[in-house]
Amino acid sequence: GQQVMQIPQYQHVQEGEDFTTYCNSSTTLSNIQWYKQRPGGHPVFLIQLVKSGEVKKQKRLTFQFGEAKKNSSLHITATQTTDVGTYFCAVPFSGGYNKLIFGAGTRLAVHP
Amino acid sequence: DGGITQSPKYLFRKEGQNVTLSCEQNLNHDAMYWYRQDPGQGLRLIYYSQIVNDFQKGDIAEGYSVSREKKESFPLTVTSAQKNPTAFYLCASARLAGNQETQYFGPGTRLLVL
Repeated sequence: GQQVMQIPQYQHVQEGEDFTTYCNSSTTLSNIQWYKQRPGGHPVFLIQLVKSGEVKKQKRLTFQFGEAKKNSSLHITATQTTDVGTYFCAVPFSGGYNKLIFGAGTRLAVHP
Repeated sequence: DGGITQSPKYLFRKEGQNVTLSCEQNLNHDAMYWYRQDPGQGLRLIYYSQIVNDFQKGDIAEGYSVSREKKESFPLTVTSAQKNPTAFYLCASARLAGNQETQYFGPGTRLLVL
């Protein structure tokens, strides 16, 4: 069946260091979405990538969609304590039905 | 103020008891979803609905039931058949337009079994 692998599962960084999480799909994707969940909170949509090789930036966050549209990354430059949380990628279910398959998430801890 | 609401925030269930979690949205979204999240884990789909009076099982539907009598509402019942119900339950909604739109999540309900 369709699989979405997200790595790493967990990452500690010192404040100011960079952070990257990767998402890999077993199938070619029409799009990929990224969500952030703060500790104790609910997932919040960050961005959607649609085009092959697309790169989008949101302040210190850079999102990239692979050329083959099977992988994506989220990079945070100079992390801050406000970046703490779990970052999920989500991809459309290949069988339709307008549902998403979520990756397991990468939990980011930032030490001041 | 548009959005998606869930109640209650915390819910305690006794053994053998059914409980119902509320989810309401005023975003005029057609699709609604229920997810379960265990500590430190990802999101697992329980049920979803694309239209009123229709819904489909997700990956972990056993021990749960839903209804979709109104577009705005998608309540989830955790039945006594669900042997390990302690978890964080998240409801989400989305438009139905093209290929999988963004999902908007409610604040969640934490269910604890006493």
